[in-house]
Amino acid sequence: NAGVTQTPKFQVLKTGQSMTLQCAQDMNHEYMSWYRQDPGMGLRLIHYSVGAGITDQGEVPNGYNVSRSTTEDFPLRLLSAAPSQTSVYFCASWETGKGYTFGSGTRLTVV
Amino acid sequence: AQSVTQLGSHVSVSEGALVLLRCNYSSSVPPYLFWYVQYPNQGLQLLLKYTSAATLVKGINGFEAEFKKSETSFHLTKPSAHMSDAAEYFCAVSENQAGTALIFGKGTTLSVSS
Repeated sequence: NAGVTQTPKFQVLKTGQSMTLQCAQDMNHEYMSWYRQDPGMGLRLIHYSVGAGITDQGEVPNGYNVSRSTTEDFPLRLLSAAPSQTSVYFCASWETGKGYTFGSGTRLTVV
Repeated sequence: AQSVTQLGSHVSVSEGALVLLRCNYSSSVPPYLFWYVQYPNQGLQLLLKYTSAATLVKGINGFEAEFKKSETSFHLTKPSAHMSDAAEYFCAVSENQAGTALIFGKGTTLSVSS
């Protein structure tokens, strides 16, 4: 049981490039979310999904897209990377009564 | 709208001393409250949760937290700090069991000295 798997662990992008951060969970959880973590800011919700085919925006959605074609996968797309998107990104899935299980994170640097 | 305030971005204690990390929440409905811990270069790990059962919640690694509705608080405590407790701690609140609106505090870094 792998839990929540995020790839890659580290990434450096040039301004304007696009990329997809991958997230997969094997716990059959319906609810999944993407957060970004910045020093002194805690974790801020980017997008979330309540099930396959259903997504919604969180607190800081601008510059990011998501899709949820399967229960297992919830990729986060950066459309045109900007230095302000330099951050650590966490994917998480939720089970009622237990809370979130977090992935180990992707550290993204945009230069 | 719900929110979480963690008082003190950095707390320092000596090994063996009491750990107290403060969290106050704002919520228009009975909240679900959580404490997470993050060790360096790792993801977040659930310490404990309050989901409207007992107001005193025991978690992993000897931590516990008490839900006080009158004070809108959910402070995290541990009677005796250990060096391995040094980490960043996050309080979080959700207004629903679905978890689609989990709001985190900005975190408190705990340092433990020998």
